[in-house]
Amino acid sequence: QKEVEQNSGPLSVPEGAIASLNCTYSDRVSQSFFWYRQYSGKSPELIMSIYSNGDKEDGRFTAQLNKASQYVSLLIRDSQPSDSATYLCAVNMRDNAGNMLTFGGGTRLMVKP
Amino acid sequence: DGGITQSPKYLFRKEGQNVTLSCEQNLNHDAMYWYRQDPGQGLRLIYYSQIVNDFQKGDIAEGYSVSREKKESFPLTVTSAQKNPTAFYLCASSMTGRAYEQYFGPGTRLTVT
Repeated sequence: QKEVEQNSGPLSVPEGAIASLNCTYSDRVSQSFFWYRQYSGKSPELIMSIYSNGDKEDGRFTAQLNKASQYVSLLIRDSQPSDSATYLCAVNMRDNAGNMLTFGGGTRLMVKP
Repeated sequence: DGGITQSPKYLFRKEGQNVTLSCEQNLNHDAMYWYRQDPGQGLRLIYYSQIVNDFQKGDIAEGYSVSREKKESFPLTVTSAQKNPTAFYLCASSMTGRAYEQYFGPGTRLTVT
């Protein structure tokens, strides 16, 4: 079983819709969760972080964390074609002591005009 | 202008040759990381270093070697022992204990034929 799992997609949504990206993780004691966006051929960039249960909003992005169910999600409202990218979920796991991130395989999002 | 540089952007080698990928940062970060990314895959950790002259193996260190003689530099050598070296290689850095705030370089795409 992978430690951080994501549906590889592609997830296709129409422009203006809400895109919902999900991620599950195996280590129940994980404390820190991150979403990176990666455009094709480029390096990842950090777009959201979340540390406690509930929602965290930043502009059109909302990260949701449910530690009891061990999942974290990213909602993108009013999706734009420029949001088309691969979204990587990353988790700072218990045995990493803040020194490493474990990445999921990424979900490819396609926003169609 | 602070950041991480990787060179070259594209690299071609013949099978059986060792090749060294460069990574330099001027962010004054103590920690540096090397990841490998295969098409449609997430990032897998090869090696990381938290301090000069010290480094640890990641999940897929076999066939790779690193050195950390200077704080600013963390070169990765892909040896002939690596069975499937063709991939996109990403270098990152962060402050020690803050792996969640990793800054990524632009990456090197290595093709071995």
